[in-house]
Amino acid sequence: NAGVMQNPRHLVRRRGQEARLRCSPMKGHSHVYWYRQLPEEGLKFMVYLQKENIIDESGMPKERFSAEFPKEGPSILRIQQVVRGDSAAYFCASSPLGGDSGYTFGSGTRLTVV
Amino acid sequence: QQQVKQSPQSLIVQKGGISIINCAYENTAFDYFPWYQQFPGKGPALLIAIRPDVSEKKEGRFTISFNKSAKQFSLHIMDSQPGDSATYFCAALPIGNTGKLIFGQGTTLQVKP
Repeated sequence: NAGVMQNPRHLVRRRGQEARLRCSPMKGHSHVYWYRQLPEEGLKFMVYLQKENIIDESGMPKERFSAEFPKEGPSILRIQQVVRGDSAAYFCASSPLGGDSGYTFGSGTRLTVV
Repeated sequence: QQQVKQSPQSLIVQKGGISIINCAYENTAFDYFPWYQQFPGKGPALLIAIRPDVSEKKEGRFTISFNKSAKQFSLHIMDSQPGDSATYFCAALPIGNTGKLIFGQGTTLQVKP
């Protein structure tokens, strides 16, 4: 069981470029959650997805951010036209049933915008 | 807005001592309270969790105490070890919610040998 896999582990982007973060949930997990962690802060919920559906995107910034979880392949968090303030660690978690059951985090993607 | 407040921000404990981290929440509509441990460069890992129908849960050296009337819960690490040095986060899951955890700000614990 490989756990929740996130890639890349580190990503450097120049201001204005696009960042694409990938998350492969644990085998058998169909619920995916994205969180953002700013330096010295706790994790902030961004979005909750099931296959081909966005369930809750109340934590997503209104502009430049989007997420998807297609029928095949990993979940993608996409940040367009990145700015320095987007620099953070982005964590993905998955669970088999939603709620608190089997909620498991990946090791995160550290995004640095230069 | 639902919030979870965590203290202290940082904590230094001698090996063998007791580490205590506190959290308070401002909304009664939570029904699951997990604690996560995070090492540098890693994702948060579930340490121990409690539901509001019990006042205490113990797993090895880790104990959660829960005070529903005060809307507070705390993590106690007994016989703290240098390997426990990490950042600890409390969190709360809203009732009826399907997984949107509300996290505290984190506590960086250093256990000195």
